[in-house]
Amino acid sequence: AQSVTQLDSQVPVFEEAPVELRCNYSSSVSVYLFWYVQYPNQGLQLLLKYLSGSTLVESINGFEAEFNKSQTSFHLRKPSVHISDTAEYFCAVSATGGGADGLTFGKGTHLIIQP
Amino acid sequence: DVKVTQSSRYLVKRTGEKVFLECVQDMDHENMFWYRQDPGLGLRLIYFSYDVKMKEKGDIPEGYSVSREKKERFSLILESASTNQTSMYLCASSFSPGQGSFAEAFFGQGTRLTVV
Repeated sequence: AQSVTQLDSQVPVFEEAPVELRCNYSSSVSVYLFWYVQYPNQGLQLLLKYLSGSTLVESINGFEAEFNKSQTSFHLRKPSVHISDTAEYFCAVSATGGGADGLTFGKGTHLIIQP
Repeated sequence: DVKVTQSSRYLVKRTGEKVFLECVQDMDHENMFWYRQDPGLGLRLIYFSYDVKMKEKGDIPEGYSVSREKKERFSLILESASTNQTSMYLCASSFSPGQGSFAEAFFGQGTRLTVV
């Protein structure tokens, strides 16, 4: 079975400060990794993904995440946050070979941007 | 753009009713999912389907069933609604980059179900 741990349920940070949202996963097989964002009263949107290739992946709005296989982590970072980044962020994992676990999500981290 | 459409944004049902939540996707994706989202618990997988008429139980299938008669449509059924099934229900679809695998999922807007 696979699982995802997001250690921080809430992360408060001041506007224009850097932020890191932590994600660790557990799986006995190789994985795909994802970060999703959910703005208030909306569905989830894909922020970025790791399927293969470069371990550093970037989104169009300045977020990046690095796949670290040895530490089984996929932390999300942004060098300077904006008020509009306030949202819930979810890390997710799926096995590259598919299987009965499907797509598994963490419990989410609420990013709170303070002016 | 991929579109995943859930039939209702808000539903209020009575305890014991049979409830149908409908989801339609327009991108010919093989995989479809039903999750429920509760504060502090994140998204929990109820069922998923990797092909027409095929289904797999997720983490919390008790009290639910699903139907996938056509590739684009995936229905979640609450056989006898109970108050502990009050929640946000999210449908998603994804393609398979490799045999049976799951790539990025596209989500609907969600259905907030209240059982009274």
